[in-house]
Amino acid sequence: SYVLTQPPSMSVAPGKTARITCGGNNIGSKIVHWYQQKPGQAPVLVISYNSDRPSGIPEGFSGSNSGNTATLTISRVEAGDEADYYCQVWDTSSDHWVFGGGTKLTVL
Amino acid sequence: EVQLVESGGGLAQPGRSLRLSCAASGFTFHDYAMHWVRQAPGQGLEWVSSISLKSGRFGYADSVKGRFIISRDNAKNSLYLQMNSLRPEDTAMYYCAKTYGGVIESDAFDIWGQGTMVTVSS
Repeated sequence: SYVLTQPPSMSVAPGKTARITCGGNNIGSKIVHWYQQKPGQAPVLVISYNSDRPSGIPEGFSGSNSGNTATLTISRVEAGDEADYYCQVWDTSSDHWVFGGGTKLTVL
Repeated sequence: EVQLVESGGGLAQPGRSLRLSCAASGFTFHDYAMHWVRQAPGQGLEWVSSISLKSGRFGYADSVKGRFIISRDNAKNSLYLQMNSLRPEDTAMYYCAKTYGGVIESDAFDIWGQGTMVTVSS
């Protein structure tokens, strides 16, 4: 089955840029979605179709996808961005949705 | 307001059954595929099951295939998950989610409910 690999955690200072990676075999040929989940809350879609930002999501969130790595970039990080972030793809080989293991972003 | 509200969770003994429900409002329910996603305590997200807009296509994670059944009643704007032969490893928060389109693949999950907790223990 298809595997998505994310770093378990990362930290960034306020005002800096966070880049959260999601690795997968030839993931650049797939469509990647990203979700943000704060403690005790349901996930929220922050990037769809590799790089589209849904209505209501701050401009600082962006996404890219190429080769074996998809990346969620959060510019000008704020304390409110502290959360778990998950990447997601549809695996056509298994007809399964796959989530990455999640990355816990800590704002220093 | 677009909203999904799950119910039906609780404590169940191993081997028993539970039926989860998800009530949808604020959008045309029958135009969208729907999904169930779960999250064990302290763990990541795990896709469970999906159903297309007219129930013509289904998908199940290997971990629940043959035990769980997804269904929907478009007249009642409701999604269901019948969970049979429950195991301790099914213990999780269960979320229902709406997708952008009518098919179960590729489209993002744009709206999520707040979840219902299922605990499987003797």
